[in-house]
Amino acid sequence: NAGVTQTPKFQVLKTGQSMTLQCAQDMNHNSMYWYRQDPGMGLRLIYYSASEGTTDKGEVPNGYNVSRLNKREFSLRLESAAPSQTSVYFCASSELAGYYNEQFFGPGTRLTVL
Amino acid sequence: AQKITQTQPGMFVQEKEAVTLDCTYDTSDQSYGLFWYKQPSSGEMIFLIYQGSYDEQNATEGRYSLNFQKARKSANLVISASQLGDSAMYFCAMRERQAGTALIFGKGTTLSVSS
Repeated sequence: NAGVTQTPKFQVLKTGQSMTLQCAQDMNHNSMYWYRQDPGMGLRLIYYSASEGTTDKGEVPNGYNVSRLNKREFSLRLESAAPSQTSVYFCASSELAGYYNEQFFGPGTRLTVL
Repeated sequence: AQKITQTQPGMFVQEKEAVTLDCTYDTSDQSYGLFWYKQPSSGEMIFLIYQGSYDEQNATEGRYSLNFQKARKSANLVISASQLGDSAMYFCAMRERQAGTALIFGKGTTLSVSS
């Protein structure tokens, strides 16, 4: 039981390049999330998927797109990377989207955009 | 206005001592959840404890307890008998029923435990 897995763990991009961050969970959770963590700040929500087939914007969605591929997988795409997107990206999942459900986090992807 | 405020950037404690990490929150929602996460230097986010807005008793999980004072809108984390492995960044977070599914995080408190 791996929980939430993310690939890659580290990535360096040049400005303008694109890439997709992959996330998968094996806990049969319905809801999945993408957050970013910048120095001196807590995590901020980029996008989320309350259930398979749905996606919604979070606090900081600009420059990103997401795909809920199936119940297990939720990917985050940067179409044209910018230095402002240098951050640590966390994927999370929860059984349901209720306010009482804790979220379980993946190990994170450290992204640097030059 | 900040939804989650953690006023202690850093805390220092000796092994076996208890420590309280402060968290205040701001919401007009009656239904919400409060969470604490631990982030060690390795970077992963580890769920510690949860308190629901309707829970009358303070939540406890092993050495962790949450001192929930609803009228003061505070949700302090108490770690009893600190261990060296408790050294990490600690985040308080809230999830409101009406605001959707986002966890709103504070900026965190760095806890350093010394022997």
